[in-house]
Amino acid sequence: DTEVTQTPKHLVMGMTNKKSLKCEQHMGHRAMYWYKQKAKKPPELMFVYSYEKLSINESVPSRFSPECPNSSLLNLHLHALQPEDSALYLCASSLRQGSGDEQFFGPGTRLTVL
Amino acid sequence: GEDVEQSLFLSVREGDSSVINCTYTDSSSTYLYWYKQEPGAGLQLLTYIFSNMDMKQDQRLTVLLNKKDKHLSLRIADTQTGDSAIYFCAGGAGYQKVTFGIGTKLQVIP
Repeated sequence: DTEVTQTPKHLVMGMTNKKSLKCEQHMGHRAMYWYKQKAKKPPELMFVYSYEKLSINESVPSRFSPECPNSSLLNLHLHALQPEDSALYLCASSLRQGSGDEQFFGPGTRLTVL
Repeated sequence: GEDVEQSLFLSVREGDSSVINCTYTDSSSTYLYWYKQEPGAGLQLLTYIFSNMDMKQDQRLTVLLNKKDKHLSLRIADTQTGDSAIYFCAGGAGYQKVTFGIGTKLQVIP
């Protein structure tokens, strides 16, 4: 199984809603990543988890709250988002944290904030 | 940190070769990558090259690295319509984050 899965595929939420994005991999990878990608832009790193511990937070607003409950799962909890947070949210995983290990990307969750 | 620049758009005819170019600023980058993103999908790693290499070939893909000019290119031989996508150049070193270029949209004309 060399796949990273993400749910849901699409999400529409209001600014007062609370929702969560989910990511799962069963490749035994110990590093997992959240990226945000706006239209016609490259992915921007948000968070990195290494061995279930938060390793990098790229100064992301607190309305985004990551969680890594175990080595296969990564969540992104969303609360009080703004319309400018609408984007494609990509999850990725790699064997270890570090640029030498290939990052496998999921298909993304297309988020629209109304 | 790393800065990665790419041209925005490239159009080629089916069967021709495509060459996508990229320049980067951080000479300490040890890995340089090419990712492909199809519409509505995540990124797929196509190939990568270590900074101590000049060239890497993988089937229809050839990566050339000019360390002096900090220039990276991806050549796709016999380009097919299925190659139409956005191609991201990216660089990284050690535990630093991977930095992506803005992406080059490749359009293949049948």
